[in-house]
Amino acid sequence: DQQVKQNSPSLSVQEGRISILNCDYTNSMFDYFLWYKKYPAEGPTFLISISSIKDKNEDGRFTVFLNKSAKHLSLHIVPSQPGDSAVYFCAANGRSNTGKLIFGQGTTLQVKP
Amino acid sequence: DVKVTQSSRYLVKRTGEKVFLECVQDMDHENMFWYRQDPGLGLRLIYFSYDVKMKEKGDIPEGYSVSREKKERFSLILESASTNQTSMYLCASSLRLYEQYFGPGTRLTVT
Repeated sequence: DQQVKQNSPSLSVQEGRISILNCDYTNSMFDYFLWYKKYPAEGPTFLISISSIKDKNEDGRFTVFLNKSAKHLSLHIVPSQPGDSAVYFCAANGRSNTGKLIFGQGTTLQVKP
Repeated sequence: DVKVTQSSRYLVKRTGEKVFLECVQDMDHENMFWYRQDPGLGLRLIYFSYDVKMKEKGDIPEGYSVSREKKERFSLILESASTNQTSMYLCASSLRLYEQYFGPGTRLTVT
């Protein structure tokens, strides 16, 4: 039972354009969401997060939007750069106070120069 | 800067061998985690630990065990390696809830 789903395995965009990565979840008890970025042969690195009390969080070129009624979050990267090419994972807190996360399957983003 | 290190980047073992994967973090984090990453399946939690000698099963603990004798070190043990345990293994630690810091991963091949 996949509680966090990233339905697009891959995405390709042109440099300078917007990248939009999507994530859906099924458990309405999730109250904290994160995005991680992973380059090949490296561990994932934390990118940005959002609490369920917000609907938007912005950090430089990266913005995460949360739509609780639709159980959907998205990561916007504007403008996209070739160095953004990586696998992006969304994650949700699995259970309060344990730090446990549930990850989606990942989306591979390719930004073409 | 938080640093999470894993004992090996690449490992090749034979079916039936006992395999130890070591993880060390240098930031006094309470929580430590072991995941495996497989194509199309994302990161799946094997075990986690929220204190020394404390451990809890994740989503796919079968065939694995863990040990946390010291706060900075979390070991993953494959009691009898099988080919379906060929995977990328990632260790992570966290202090604050949810924001986890990952090591570089160990690519394990079981032949």
